[in-house]
Amino acid sequence: QITLKESGPTLVKPTQTLTLTCTFSGFSLSTSGVGVGWIRQPPGKALEWLALIYWDDDKRYSPSLKSRLTITKDTSKNQVVLTMTNMDPVDTATYYCAHIGDYVFCDFDYWGQGTLVTVSS
Amino acid sequence: SSELTQDPAVSVALGQTVRITCQGDSLRSYYASWYQQKPGQAPVLVIYGKNNRPSGIPDRFSGSSSGNTASLTITGAQAEDEADYYCNSRDSSGNLVVFGGGTKLTVL
Repeated sequence: QITLKESGPTLVKPTQTLTLTCTFSGFSLSTSGVGVGWIRQPPGKALEWLALIYWDDDKRYSPSLKSRLTITKDTSKNQVVLTMTNMDPVDTATYYCAHIGDYVFCDFDYWGQGTLVTVSS
Repeated sequence: SSELTQDPAVSVALGQTVRITCQGDSLRSYYASWYQQKPGQAPVLVIYGKNNRPSGIPDRFSGSSSGNTASLTITGAQAEDEADYYCNSRDSSGNLVVFGGGTKLTVL
């Protein structure tokens, strides 16, 4: 059974760096073909893909946010960490991590519950 | 192009069939996946690949694709199908991921 759970601060100040951790179970990020992605959703708005990391440490980022994002994995802890620098109120959103179901299709078949991050002074 | 376009809102009468579409250049090369999201909940994958349903997804959900357009069809829509629906796929380069803007489905 695959589960994922996001953790991190619920409130950050503008210009600060956000660090979110995705702790998962039911799969290993050292297994060929496996990947984890981060997706966010501002209140009342659409899903936005942020980043993903594969078993071989291949990393991909949203072009519009690439300069601010870093994704890493800790295979021994079953965790994926996303950092986003220079936070702004427009970054207020629910942040999800999700398991990539198929390497070719890049679908997200299991999602965490999400964590709401508010950016405010 | 790295964009996927969806109609903002669609409605369907209870028990009728509805098609939700997703358009984008990348869909000429890559299949779309579809997600259902109800208020306050995380998205749920309902269709992936050519027309695959994860375990537990009712068979009234189906997917298809033609040219630059992917479609999610709900045959015999139920009240519990009222939700937001999102498509996603790889972008045209195949290296990145894109999501559509979402379609709000109302079941009348």
